[in-house]
Amino acid sequence: DAKTTQPNSMESNEEEPVHLPCNHSTISGTDYIHWYRQLPSQGPEYVIHGLTSNVNNRMASLAIAEDRKSSTLILHRATLRDAAVYYCILRDWRKTSYDKVIFGPGTSLSVIP
Amino acid sequence: DSGVTQTPKHLITATGQRVTLRCSPRSGDLSVYWYQQSLDQGLQFLIQYYNGEERAKGNILERFSAQQFPDLHSELNLSSLELGDSALYFCASSVGQGGMNTEAFFGQGTRLTVV
Repeated sequence: DAKTTQPNSMESNEEEPVHLPCNHSTISGTDYIHWYRQLPSQGPEYVIHGLTSNVNNRMASLAIAEDRKSSTLILHRATLRDAAVYYCILRDWRKTSYDKVIFGPGTSLSVIP
Repeated sequence: DSGVTQTPKHLITATGQRVTLRCSPRSGDLSVYWYQQSLDQGLQFLIQYYNGEERAKGNILERFSAQQFPDLHSELNLSSLELGDSALYFCASSVGQGGMNTEAFFGQGTRLTVV
């Protein structure tokens, strides 16, 4: 399985943009890049996913490098509620009936008021 | 609300005992995943079921077993419990039919405390 690497922790000021990086140099052509986050004492929640093009939704934006070996999750204006562990995961769309959905350590984001 | 329901929310039991954790997936989701999250281990994948069949296995102990029933709900059975089994256990579900829609929805977890 292709792996991802993320910084262990990051800090951001409230209402500032946050760029959370993820490296996935061994990504394959059929891997989608997914981001999840886990708020304290809650289950992980889906944030966004993409394949090649940049993606936007109500929660965040996902910027994918042209060679797909890295991606960046962008929170446009961090709020205190965005303090969470953010996970970058690769999922092969051909295997979703039997893939493992492996979470790495993720990036713990702290938001400073 | 993710639509995934886990019961019970909290469970306290003694070492050596057996417990069953239950998960009801979102309506229409065929895949169910189980994860264990302890303080020092992060989210550990245990096992996945798809439409009643075991499809992927992670580092699940032999003392643990799971199944998915015809109505698609799933149960995780933990036996001969040890103190180290104390953790949050999460269930997730997804459509699991391939394609772009591979989002997994997580329940709120069952907090198991073994004393």
